[in-house]
Order: sequence, then C-alpha cells, then structure tokens
Amino acid sequence: SYELTQPPSVSVSPGQTARITCSGDALPKKYPYWYQQKSGQAPVLVIYEDSKRPSGIPERFSGSSSGTMATLTISGAQVEDEADYYCYSTDSSGNHRGVFGGGTKLTVL
Amino acid sequence: QVQLQESGPGLVKPSQTLSLTCTVSGGSISSGSYYWSWIRQPAGKGLEWIGRIYTSGSTNYNPSLKSRVTISVDTSKNQFSLKLSSVTAADTAVYYCAREVQLWLFGYYYYYMDVWGKGTTVTVSS
Repeated sequence: SYELTQPPSVSVSPGQTARITCSGDALPKKYPYWYQQKSGQAPVLVIYEDSKRPSGIPERFSGSSSGTMATLTISGAQVEDEADYYCYSTDSSGNHRGVFGGGTKLTVL
Repeated sequence: QVQLQESGPGLVKPSQTLSLTCTVSGGSISSGSYYWSWIRQPAGKGLEWIGRIYTSGSTNYNPSLKSRVTISVDTSKNQFSLKLSSVTAADTAVYYCAREVQLWLFGYYYYYMDVWGKGTTVTVSS
C-alpha cells in the first residue's frame, strides 16, 4: 500500500536550518503537500505544488523533491515554527486515497 | 473567505454510529472544483484521511474505513456529513472537515486540503 515516511522528530536551535523529509515510492511522480500543525490547532498548508507558499506563509519555508524524497526546509527557524509537520499525497488508484506521512515534531530551542 | 465548522455529539457509545456535520460559510459548497473531506486525529497521533465527497455525490473513502463510513452532502444547507458506524474506542479522535482541491498536473490528479475546520473531539465511551 502507498505510504509516506517521515522522521519522528527534528531539533534545531533558533536561526538554524531545519530540514524535514518525506519519502515514498510514488514521490518521483507526484510531489507531496506540506502542513504545519501547532498544538491544539488545525493543520495549515505551508507548501503546495512542491515548492510554492500560500499567502501569509513566511519566505523561510520552502520545499523541494529529488527522487523518492521530498524535503521541507525552514531556513532560519524561529521558535514560533515549533510544530508538527505532515506531508500529504494521494495514491494513484481510482480512489485517490489520501495519505499523510506519520508527522515530524520540530523542536526549536 | 470560506470557513468550515464541525458539529455533532462529543460522546458516542461503543457500537453506535458517530454522526458529524460540517457547515460551510462564506461561499457555496457547489462552487469550484472542490471536494469536501473528513480527516481525524487520535490524541497524540498523526492525521488520518477518512474520505471525500464531490457535490455530485461522488465519494472516495479510505479502504481501511470504507465498510463503516458514509459521507453525504446537502447543497441546500451548504453542509456535508460523516457517519461512522459500529464505533469503538479506537475511533476516539479529533475530527476535522476540510475543503479539498483537485488539480490535474503533469499527467496526475493532485488533491490537497486548503481550508480546514477547527476540529471537534469525539469520544467513544459507554
């Protein structure tokens, strides 16, 4: 079955670059979308179409893909970026099943 | 600006049916190439996609839940709903409704959620 794999946790100091990966066999064909979820809140889209940022998302957020891995990069991470991050895609069956990665807890301290 | 709001019982007994409604405001549920989705999240765990519906009534469900899930839409009320039958404690979670965008790009269909409700907690317990 289609799966997306993320590291459970990433930790950086403020101002450093945080990289969160998402791996999956279908990623060379279909890039994922990235969501940020702060504690007690609904997820927020931070990257779409591989590398685009929705309005209101800081420029320090960027996305890229290479082979079977996609990466969310936060350049100069801030304390307020501390959150869970999820990649999301759909499988290529006619059902287009939605699949989330397991999530990565980003700690900035 | 479109907003979504989940509503429904916060407590459901085991073996019963969980029923939630999502009310769409700030826009018509029938406009645009949007699907309307449900996602859930058990406490301390990750997100799980449950399914989606188009305003035509066409649905897609997570195969792991398909036998128990029904998603429906009421365009006259600008609402869509989730029913999950035969619930157990494992169905205890925060349930989110969301608007899901469908795109055709580079030979593939892409889907992603661009607007989310705040979520509602459902506990399954006797």
